[in-house]
Amino acid sequence: GNSVTQMEGPVTLSEEAFLTINCTYTATGYPSLFWYVQYPGEGLQLLLKATKADDKGSNKGFEATYRKETTSFHLEKGSVQVSDSAVYFCALSRNYGGSQGNLIFGKGTKLSVKP
Amino acid sequence: DGGITQSPKYLFRKEGQNVTLSCEQNLNHDAMYWYRQDPGQGLRLIYYSQIVNDFQKGDIAEGYSVSREKKESFPLTVTSAQKNPTAFYLCASRPGLAGARGTDTQYFGPGTRLTVL
Repeated sequence: GNSVTQMEGPVTLSEEAFLTINCTYTATGYPSLFWYVQYPGEGLQLLLKATKADDKGSNKGFEATYRKETTSFHLEKGSVQVSDSAVYFCALSRNYGGSQGNLIFGKGTKLSVKP
Repeated sequence: DGGITQSPKYLFRKEGQNVTLSCEQNLNHDAMYWYRQDPGQGLRLIYYSQIVNDFQKGDIAEGYSVSREKKESFPLTVTSAQKNPTAFYLCASRPGLAGARGTDTQYFGPGTRLTVL
């Protein structure tokens, strides 16, 4: 079946450090892949997405590339800020059967950035 | 402004009581979803609806019920049969028909935190 595995946190970094949050997936077919971000006490916001192999999603300095050969969608940012402190979720969309369009989420990775 | 609203933000209920969480969207989206979030467990799907007057059970539907009488509304009732209802509940919606590329992004409301006393 479909599943998403992302690195467990918490991840603590100093401001301006390089960020990588690993995400790998198992899926039938060709799902779309997403990164969502959740700030404390809020809902999820879409950070970026990719819909096919080798696509790169990017937003606010974050990037992730859809790698079909390694079934990965790792999130990266070259220089994190204190305001990036949040929980990050990797997700894929089911693309078959009656549950088309449903998302499967990883467990989330909490990022804390220290000044 | 277009968006998804959930009310109330915080909800307290006594054991044995049913409670209904509101979710409204003015995005003209076809599909709507309810998720439950517990610490360290990510999001788990409770119910979803891809069209008005139709809905499907998700992965953890026991103890919950929904209705979809209007396109813009998808209320969730947490019944007394739900053994551990204290959690953060998130509603989401998605445009277009299932499976169509470009319409698989879900947009989330701000959430309702339910606490059972």
